[in-house]
Amino acid sequence: DAKTTQPPSMDCAEGRAANLPCNHSTISGNEYVYWYRQIHSQGPQYIIHGLKNNETNEMASLIITEDRKSSTLILPHATLRDTAVYYCIVMGKLIFGQGTELSVKP
Amino acid sequence: GAVVSQHPSRVICKSGTSVKIECRSLDFQATTMFWYRQFPKQSLMLMATSNEGSKATYEQGVEKDKFLINHASLTLSTLTVTSAHPEDSSFYICSAISGGPSGTEQYFGPGTRLTVT
Repeated sequence: DAKTTQPPSMDCAEGRAANLPCNHSTISGNEYVYWYRQIHSQGPQYIIHGLKNNETNEMASLIITEDRKSSTLILPHATLRDTAVYYCIVMGKLIFGQGTELSVKP
Repeated sequence: GAVVSQHPSRVICKSGTSVKIECRSLDFQATTMFWYRQFPKQSLMLMATSNEGSKATYEQGVEKDKFLINHASLTLSTLTVTSAHPEDSSFYICSAISGGPSGTEQYFGPGTRLTVT
């Protein structure tokens, strides 16, 4: 199963875009990239997923590089409620890495 | 999105007793469910994969006789922690797979906080 690497923490100012990177250099051609977030003491919440095209939904945008070895989750206008741990996962057995703890500050 | 529920949300039990946690997919059928546990300030750790109608597949280091998993129907999987000890205190989370046209989607339950005294 492909592993992912994310920075352990990031800060973002409220109202600004939050760009969360993820490296998945060993991803296979048919494996999707998924993003989840977890707010303290809750189950992970699905955000978005993609294969090779960029994706957008009401929560976020997902930019996947052409070689698919990395991706970026974009929260266009971060709010305080977006403070959470964000996990990038490659679909397979859905092994969770350590994720990025995003702190949105006023 | 699809909804997965867990019951109970919190449970406190005495050392040596067994605890059962239920995971239900409320609006879809899930042939595969997963069980994770999470210790404070750590990531989710996959414990086992539960397939409807067959035996669960456990990850390395997870004792199958201690963590009994039953996937009796397409909407229900149960995890029983047998002879619980304080070190089993953790946040247990289940998830269920829903097949979709753009790849499978995994939905998580809200988690069960187990405290063993």
